[in-house]
Amino acid sequence: AQSVTQLDSHVSVSEGTPVLLRCNYSSSYSPSLFWYVQHPNKGLQLLLKYTSAATLVKGINGFEAEFKKSETSFHLTKPSAHMSDAAEYFCVVSDPPENQGGKLIFGQGTELSVKP
Amino acid sequence: DTGVSQDPRHKITKRGQNVTFRCDPISEHNRLYWYRQTLGQGPEFLTYFQNEAQLEKSRLLSDRFSAERPKGSFSTLEIQRTEQGDSAMYLCASSEKGLAVTGELFFGEGSRLTVL
Repeated sequence: AQSVTQLDSHVSVSEGTPVLLRCNYSSSYSPSLFWYVQHPNKGLQLLLKYTSAATLVKGINGFEAEFKKSETSFHLTKPSAHMSDAAEYFCVVSDPPENQGGKLIFGQGTELSVKP
Repeated sequence: DTGVSQDPRHKITKRGQNVTFRCDPISEHNRLYWYRQTLGQGPEFLTYFQNEAQLEKSRLLSDRFSAERPKGSFSTLEIQRTEQGDSAMYLCASSEKGLAVTGELFFGEGSRLTVL
């Protein structure tokens, strides 16, 4: 079965500093990986996805993630945090792979706080 | 396009009562998913439909839970004889032709259930 593990339940950064949200995955085949964001009282929104094309994936709002097979990681980064980035972030894997029309399996989530 | 809508947004009920949630997906999306999210956890997959056919059910979906999508448009999720452990946010999502096309699910804002 496919799974993801988010290594931090909470991350706090200052506005203007880099963001790193860590995610490791487990998959018996080439995975399809995603990051979703959930703002308070809002629906989940796709940030970016990896589906075996470029290993460095760029998403919305300046976020990007790098797929590293050797480390089974898919960490989310942003060079400079903004107050509006404060939210819950989920690392997600498709099971089975995307090209077989799978369902999404979510990690536990990382709450990002941004201090002024 | 008004997005995925869910109703009611909040439901408080007494243990043992039945509750029903409704989801209206984005029009022309033929896949519809139900997830459950408890506090501090990531969404957990419950079930999904392609048109009116229910293609997969999680083991989380006990026999007290039933989901339908009778005409391939809106869906209902019914919980019979509610228990306090059913308290959660129930999320609905839809996608066009499944993850194979866009890799993206569009989520509603959820229906929050509190069982007293």
